[in-house]
Amino acid sequence: NAGVTQTPKFQVLKTGQSMTLQCAQDMNHEYMSWYRQDPGMGLRLIHYSVGAGITDQGEVPNGYNVSRSTTEDFPLRLLSAAPSQTSVYFCASSLTLPNSNQPQHFGDGTRLSIL
Amino acid sequence: KQEVTQIPAALSVPEGENLVLNCSFTDSAIYNLQWFRQDPGKGLTSLLLIQSSQREQTSGRLNASLDKSSGRSTLYIAASQPGDSATYLCAVAFQGGSEKLVFGKGTKLTVNP
Repeated sequence: NAGVTQTPKFQVLKTGQSMTLQCAQDMNHEYMSWYRQDPGMGLRLIHYSVGAGITDQGEVPNGYNVSRSTTEDFPLRLLSAAPSQTSVYFCASSLTLPNSNQPQHFGDGTRLSIL
Repeated sequence: KQEVTQIPAALSVPEGENLVLNCSFTDSAIYNLQWFRQDPGKGLTSLLLIQSSQREQTSGRLNASLDKSSGRSTLYIAASQPGDSATYLCAVAFQGGSEKLVFGKGTKLTVNP
């Protein structure tokens, strides 16, 4: 059981480039989400999905797109990378929304640097 | 504004000591509170989840308590070990924000042999 798998683990981009961060889970979880973690700040929600075909914005969605074509996969796209998007990105999943009694499962993160 | 605060930001203790990590939150209307562990360069591992109707949860040497009325939670670690060294994060699912967890900034714990 792999849990939540994120790729790549590290990435360096130039300003203006685009890329996709991959996230996959094998636990048949309906809820998936993307957070970013910055020094001196708590994790902040970027986008989330409550099931295949359904996505919505979190608190810091600007500059990012997501899609959920399958239950397993929830990729995060940076449209035109900016230095302010330098961060560590975490994907998380759970059976249902965070307001339930189900814990969140996190991937190991993608460390992204924008030059 | 719904916020989660963890104090202190860092804590260093000798091996074998019992210790308490603190978490406070600004709104008592919550669904649950979770404690996570984060090792350097790794993701978050869920340690304990306390629902709003519960007062505490226990797992091995860990005990988490919840006092909604005062907006506080504590994570008690008994007989600390060097392997407990990590950053501990508190996260709250507030009512009115069921789609996300609000995280504290964490307490970095170092247990010295």
